[in-house]
Amino acid sequence: DAGVIQSPRHEVTEMGQEVTLRCKPISGHDYLFWYRQTMMRGLELLIYFNNNVPIDDSGMPEDRFSAKMPNASFSTLKIQPSEPRDSAVYFCASRTTQGSNEQFFGPGTRLTVL
Amino acid sequence: AQRVTQPEKLLSVFKGAPVELKCNYSYSGSPELFWYVQYSRQRLQLLLRHISRESIKGFTADLNKGETSFHLKKPFAQEEDSAMYYCALSYNTDKLIFGTGTRLQVFP
Repeated sequence: DAGVIQSPRHEVTEMGQEVTLRCKPISGHDYLFWYRQTMMRGLELLIYFNNNVPIDDSGMPEDRFSAKMPNASFSTLKIQPSEPRDSAVYFCASRTTQGSNEQFFGPGTRLTVL
Repeated sequence: AQRVTQPEKLLSVFKGAPVELKCNYSYSGSPELFWYVQYSRQRLQLLLRHISRESIKGFTADLNKGETSFHLKKPFAQEEDSAMYYCALSYNTDKLIFGTGTRLQVFP
């Protein structure tokens, strides 16, 4: 298994543009998490899904952010419209129900909003 | 509310020196605690978890419920240990709560 896959790895966009980040979890994992990493706040949980259903989106900063998981192998995080303060590294992680709460992370998407 | 505190943003040591990265948590029950590591340009990965009571790459961490701490220790730091380290807590939910991280720099 290639692990959690994220695309794109880097995204540079202008303020006001729509940004879509993509994630493919590890096959068989039924939890998927979206995190944002910044120097000031570290790693923040934005939203997570269980069996494709959003469970907790209390970390989503505002209505400009939305996330979907149309099937077990794909999720998107969308920012519309984007703002410079959204610049960060966005991580996707997945895990299985079995065993401990270890999460497996993707390589991240570095987003820069100019 | 449950919280994980890593008081040091940056810890710098010389190669061969002992290292202790501090982690304190707030939770009255029995948490599950983890240390994750992120090497330069790599993804975040699990380093160790308290239930395993294992040593990984020379690192150990002991859960101290009295002090609500889970400090990460290594007796002799190596240059390749330079990375970002995150302490995380899981407590009867699906989520992990991460600390803000400590950057470890090991100088030659």
